[in-house]
Amino acid sequence: SQQGEEDPQALSIQEGENATMNCSYKTSINNLQWYRQNSGRGLVHLILIRSNEREKHSGRLRVTLDTSKKSSSLLITASRAADTASYFCATDADQGAQKLVFGQGTRLTINP
Amino acid sequence: DTGVSQNPRHKITKRGQNVTFRCDPISEHNRLYWYRQTLGQGPEFLTYFQNEAQLEKSRLLSDRFSAERPKGSFSTLEIQRTEQGDSAMYLCASSLSLGSPHEKLFFGSGTQLSVL
Repeated sequence: SQQGEEDPQALSIQEGENATMNCSYKTSINNLQWYRQNSGRGLVHLILIRSNEREKHSGRLRVTLDTSKKSSSLLITASRAADTASYFCATDADQGAQKLVFGQGTRLTINP
Repeated sequence: DTGVSQNPRHKITKRGQNVTFRCDPISEHNRLYWYRQTLGQGPEFLTYFQNEAQLEKSRLLSDRFSAERPKGSFSTLEIQRTEQGDSAMYLCASSLSLGSPHEKLFFGSGTQLSVL
């Protein structure tokens, strides 16, 4: 079974608007990562947030982590058509695990 | 740094045939992972190597699947007696592990397998 569950499964917004995606997970983690995938391509790492961090920024990306609620959010500000992709959260399924477990993803569509 | 390379990009085969995929990781990366992804789903872990040692295999990896990483460089994933349910994107990823749990994966573009 998958560790992370993204919400919503699909999101469609207008260019320039902000996009927020959420991820919930089940077990304790060392870190949580967000990846992006363009259709038919491999995944690209976006950002990593450690379990002792609450917020992290990278360009137009803002990630928050609430370990008490076992949840994370990814905010993309001032969206562009090129942001159209699927976004996945991934966690080490339990502390000490050596593999990432991915959620089902949020499919984001930015309409020009 | 030429990135993670996977070959072939697409493979169409008939049910019952054997197929083999190749992954060339980033050269200095000691860890190599195989994932499988079906349409609309996230990647599912199959197996991973640290150097040449295969350290973990998912229960998803049936007896028909075998992976190798000779000499800790490139890796191959073989599927014997393919079934239609094997149709998926097979993704390879590599990372440099220094013992820290905080590592990111670099993915290849995947091999799309279609079993007819």
